[in-house]
Amino acid sequence: AQSVAQPEDQVNVAEGNPLTVKCTYSVSGNPYLFWYVQYPNRGLQFLLKYITGDNLVKGSYGFEAEFNKSQTSFHLKKPSALVSDSALYFCAVTREMGRRALTFGSGTRLQVQP
Amino acid sequence: GAVVSQHPSRVICKSGTSVKIECRSLDFQATTMFWYRQFPKQSLMLMATSNEGSKATYEQGVEKDKFLINHASLTLSTLTVTSAHPEDSSFYICSASGPTGYNEQFFGPGTRLTVL
Repeated sequence: AQSVAQPEDQVNVAEGNPLTVKCTYSVSGNPYLFWYVQYPNRGLQFLLKYITGDNLVKGSYGFEAEFNKSQTSFHLKKPSALVSDSALYFCAVTREMGRRALTFGSGTRLQVQP
Repeated sequence: GAVVSQHPSRVICKSGTSVKIECRSLDFQATTMFWYRQFPKQSLMLMATSNEGSKATYEQGVEKDKFLINHASLTLSTLTVTSAHPEDSSFYICSASGPTGYNEQFFGPGTRLTVL
């Protein structure tokens, strides 16, 4: 079985400050990890993924995430938050082998205050 | 590239009627499509996995006779909610994989279903 935990329902940060949205995962085998963002009444937009290679992954809109195998974490980060970053963020995992859908975390609402 | 569309984006229907939602991969062939359901302020829950030309695989607790999934071609999958009830009201999102393997999915914009 595979699972994802996003321990924070909401993260509040002031515009211009760095932000971190936490994610830990559990999966047998090598993980494929993803971050998506969702705006109200919209589908998911892909931000970034980790498949293999460098632990620091850079993605869209200035976001990045660091894969930490020992801590089974894949936290999303951005050096300087924008008000427009306010949205719902989902971490997701699937495993390397086999036909498996993504397992999503519960989501974290990011609120960036001007 | 790798664009997925859904139609309709929003539908309101009466209780007892059936509703069909289409999911199309516009610029690639999708060997596998996934259907998710999202309740307000909750995460996405996988309903079923469909592979082109074969029967869908439903997740535990999802009624296959109520949520009919057809993946007749490499670019189209449909979800039909039969005899809809108010508790079926939800946001339905499809995703498709194909161009880069199962480890990457491309999501449609979602369909908001409201059953009166």
